[in-house]
Amino acid sequence: QVQLVESGGGVVQPGRSLRLSCATSGFIFSSHGMHWVRQAPGKGLEWVAIIWYDGTKKYYADSVKGRFTISRDNSKNTLYLQMSSLRAEDTAMYYCARDSAGDWFFDFWGQGTLVTVSS
Amino acid sequence: DIQMTQSPSSLSASVGDRVTITCRASQGISNSLAWYQQKPGKAPKLLIYGASTLESGVPSRFSGSGSGTDYTLTISSLQPEDFATYYCQQFYSMATFGQGTKVEI
Repeated sequence: QVQLVESGGGVVQPGRSLRLSCATSGFIFSSHGMHWVRQAPGKGLEWVAIIWYDGTKKYYADSVKGRFTISRDNSKNTLYLQMSSLRAEDTAMYYCARDSAGDWFFDFWGQGTLVTVSS
Repeated sequence: DIQMTQSPSSLSASVGDRVTITCRASQGISNSLAWYQQKPGKAPKLLIYGASTLESGVPSRFSGSGSGTDYTLTISSLQPEDFATYYCQQFYSMATFGQGTKVEI
């Protein structure tokens, strides 16, 4: 069965960096685009970034452009999100999600990892 | 950017009720719309994509319809496990979510 397991969240000071990981199994990772989606406490869902199945294309929400970098290692079936210059408003649960056949909607989600940006 | 507006933001219903949630896009999205269900403390779950295609394993009491800018999620007979928050998402141009509709007792 498809599994997505995020890790790397925690408490970090404003301006610092953090790297999230999403380990996957149960499907051919190298055949799917992958996304990060976040949800601030008590708020709605916000799409963050996408990476193409082969890593050749990446797109970001304006709110994180220039600060966050999405990447993947197809040999390890793992997705990453490098977050830098973190702000209080980046505090959220971060979910990795599988892209459904290149259509930019999400057919499988991980359980999320919580990032708290606070001094 | 395409904005998605859901209504209502919350609703109260009873088991067996027919529930309708609407989602309006700021421009036409050609049926590039998905619906998700999220329960407290859990990840969202895909229910419907392409405005009306039911994801595998999703009960048939869920249905989606619409076209152009206006879309609807309908639960024909609300079950206890359906109390949750529902989100629409457009994928016509990148990805944008509606603000969510909380369905409660």
